Amino acid sequence: DTGVSQDPRHKITKRGQNVTFRCDPISEHNRLYWYRQTLGQGPEFLTYFQNEAQLEKSRLLSDRFSAERPKGSFSTLEIQRTEQGDSAMYLCASSSQGLEPQHFGDGTRLSIL
Amino acid sequence: QQQVKQSPQSLIVQKGGISIINCAYENTAFDYFPWYQQFPGKGPALLIAIRPDVSEKKEGRFTISFNKSAKQFSLHIMDSQPGDSATYFCAAPRGGYQKVTFGTGTKLQVIP
Repeated sequence: DTGVSQDPRHKITKRGQNVTFRCDPISEHNRLYWYRQTLGQGPEFLTYFQNEAQLEKSRLLSDRFSAERPKGSFSTLEIQRTEQGDSAMYLCASSSQGLEPQHFGDGTRLSIL
Repeated sequence: QQQVKQSPQSLIVQKGGISIINCAYENTAFDYFPWYQQFPGKGPALLIAIRPDVSEKKEGRFTISFNKSAKQFSLHIMDSQPGDSATYFCAAPRGGYQKVTFGTGTKLQVIP
């Protein structure tokens, strides 16, 4: 399967713990995006990578959030000192250059106890 | 601020009927207008997209109609089937890297 892959699919953790999610984009895609989706809402943009460079971060991405894409391939999203409000689906998407649409993975659902 | 407004929030349609979902946008800088379909527990999947220089695009049972002057676009699902039951999002990407703004979603239920 050559789609966008995310791991884990579900993560349950206690408030205050750190969590890390991984995204493997479609191999030839150099653009990678992270979105957050809460119940009943559309996905909201968090951050964007062009190859290994992080070019934009949303105001939604507080200091507790950090994302990396070290070699321009897979990406990780880390949340430190998790809070109840962090409970959401975290979606990764990738695309190629130009006006090509983004392809989404199936997300990581985070639940904070 | 909400730049893409979607309606209705939910929709129930009989099998074989036409499902219509509408979106209105404010920013004229959007480059094209895709619709995404999302099933529970899955990520959004691209359904169909239209560029602003085209007024209508049809792919199978799915049609996008675009009204540039009114800043509105809509999705029509002809001969709706129970398998179409999902949440549909209109979206608008813009900027050099195509940052996507999503609508609030329409939950469609097609009943037999």
